Amino acid sequence: DTGVSQDPRHKITKRGQNVTFRCDPISEHNRLYWYRQTLGQGPEFLTYFQNEAQLEKSRLLSDRFSAERPKGSFSTLEIQRTEQGDSAMYLCASSLWDSETQYFGPGTRLLVL
Amino acid sequence: AQKVTQAQTEISVVEKEDVTLDCVYETRDTTYYLFWYKQPPSGELVFLIRRNSFDEQNEISGRYSWNFQKSTSSFNFTITASQVVDSAVYFCALSSNDYKLSFGAGTTVTVRA
Repeated sequence: DTGVSQDPRHKITKRGQNVTFRCDPISEHNRLYWYRQTLGQGPEFLTYFQNEAQLEKSRLLSDRFSAERPKGSFSTLEIQRTEQGDSAMYLCASSLWDSETQYFGPGTRLLVL
Repeated sequence: AQKVTQAQTEISVVEKEDVTLDCVYETRDTTYYLFWYKQPPSGELVFLIRRNSFDEQNEISGRYSWNFQKSTSSFNFTITASQVVDSAVYFCALSSNDYKLSFGAGTTVTVRA
């Protein structure tokens, strides 16, 4: 049973560029979550999907951020016009619809120069 | 609003010593779930344990044990006979009906040989 995978693992970009991250959840998991973690802090919730429906978005998710899960399988998180404050680890997690336990991927570490 | 507080920033022990991590939470929900996750240097969050608010039974799983006390809103976690491989950041987290996890700031555990 493969776990949650994320791609890329690391991304360095220049301020103002757009970046897109991908998350592949555990295959039978209906729910998919995105979190952001800055240095020395715990992860903070960004958004979550049940199947293809995006059910909640945090106020942390500014209009430069957009997330999709087009067929209820993998998800993408896009950041437009990146800023240095976007530098963080972006974590994806998945769970079964009837379970509270979320399983996390290895994360994508973003550095905006 | 939900809040998780991990007052200990860092703990350093010698191998084979026991380590207890403190966690205090706040929530207005009557049904909620508490978690401990481990984040080794590789960055991936690893699920360790989960406890439901209606089950205060404390258990032991291998070298891990936990002490859930609703009266003091605490969910402490103990590693018995610590090993170097236990060195990581440990996060306490809380979720309720909205499924998103609220994390504490984490406690860095260093186990010295």
